[in-house]
Amino acid sequence: EVQLQESGPGLVKPSQSLSLTCSVTGYSITSNYWGWIRKFPGNKMEWMGYISYSGSTSYNPSLKSRISITRDTSKNQFFLQLNSVTTEDTATYYCARSELRRAPFDYWGQGVMVTVSS
Amino acid sequence: DTVLTQSPALAVSPGERVSISCRASEGVNSYMHWYQQKPGQQPKLLIYKASNLASGVPARFSGSGSGTDFTLTIDPVEADDTATYFCQQSWNDPYTFGAGTKLELK
Repeated sequence: EVQLQESGPGLVKPSQSLSLTCSVTGYSITSNYWGWIRKFPGNKMEWMGYISYSGSTSYNPSLKSRISITRDTSKNQFFLQLNSVTTEDTATYYCARSELRRAPFDYWGQGVMVTVSS
Repeated sequence: DTVLTQSPALAVSPGERVSISCRASEGVNSYMHWYQQKPGQQPKLLIYKASNLASGVPARFSGSGSGTDFTLTIDPVEADDTATYFCQQSWNDPYTFGAGTKLELK
């Protein structure tokens, strides 16, 4: 079965970069689409972007200047980097899989809470 | 961006039928999906592409709609269905989510 697990610091200072790792077991990230979604306090959810089986990426335009999603196929991991964070980036961050482009997210990680605060 | 509008909360009694609506600000074809999220847990896919039941999801859950208006129905509701339900579209870029409907049981 596909399992995803997010990891990374739970506290980031404003203006710094947020870096998270999603470790995938049970399935190769050289197949399908692997995305990041975040949930803000108050329940709003935002799709941030994905990296595809080929390594191509797609980002939410609202983040396009600050976001980067990369991967390490040898470790079956993919990564999120969000630059120049503010308190408005405080959220629970999830990694998830889509079987195809435009498919739903059928497997999710447990999520990691990240607080941006000085 | 495509805005998805959901009613904020509903309260029903066990055994009843409940319908949760999601209206899109522009057409999303059939690319509307529904998730259930309980406190402290990750979202769980219930329905994909408007009306298809995800693997392992009880047949009490069903979905309908196309274009801009979509509905998730639970019939009959059970106590374990207390959760927040989100719709999500993947037809228009960027993908977007509704604000969620909190379902409470009386």
